[in-house]
Amino acid sequence: GAVVSQHPSWVICKSGTSVKIECRSLDFQATTMFWYRQFPKQSLMLMATSNEGSKATYEQGVEKDKFLINHASLTLSTLTVTSAHPEDSSFYICSANPGSLPYEQYFGPGTRLTVT
Amino acid sequence: KNEVEQSPQNLTAQEGEFITINCSYSVGISALHWLQQHPGGGIVSLFMLSSGKKKHGRLIATINIQEKHSSLHITASHPRDSAVYICAVGRSSGDKLTFGTGTRLAVRP
Repeated sequence: GAVVSQHPSWVICKSGTSVKIECRSLDFQATTMFWYRQFPKQSLMLMATSNEGSKATYEQGVEKDKFLINHASLTLSTLTVTSAHPEDSSFYICSANPGSLPYEQYFGPGTRLTVT
Repeated sequence: KNEVEQSPQNLTAQEGEFITINCSYSVGISALHWLQQHPGGGIVSLFMLSSGKKKHGRLIATINIQEKHSSLHITASHPRDSAVYICAVGRSSGDKLTFGTGTRLAVRP
């Protein structure tokens, strides 16, 4: 089946720094990618929809200046957490959509971010 | 009220038991997804349904569009089935998903 990768799988950064997370579709082109956040023992919360070649669509309550999303190619979307704060510590997951039938969504393995 | 409700929230079963996890939703959808998340965090897509029933190995998923309800069944459960099972719905093809809160399953040997 289709594969989506994320890099890094885990990262520790200091407060105030920025960290970039990559989401790649390895064997298909993804016109749309989704970024989710998951707190311990909670379900996934959609942060934003990333469309290739256009601006991301952010969900209500998600700060677009803090969580910068770039979808520069059909196989790569990046999420940059700027001025990281301990409250940003979470599990970040992306999914990718080939944009064609059957419109399956393929999930990345996730990135665990810890801000100290 | 959440758009997607799952039950039960937690489930403990003995190895070999037949397991059912339920999902109800309140909006019109184009497809419903069943996902599995192991303790490491990675998510695996088990099924995508728009009608009827699908089977893969010991897993069976059904959906009743009129009743806005889906079930995930696991036959002959095994400790390796222990995971969080998440129901998610998409309102249109390729659209973002709305997730249920998940069902945490523990299968004891």
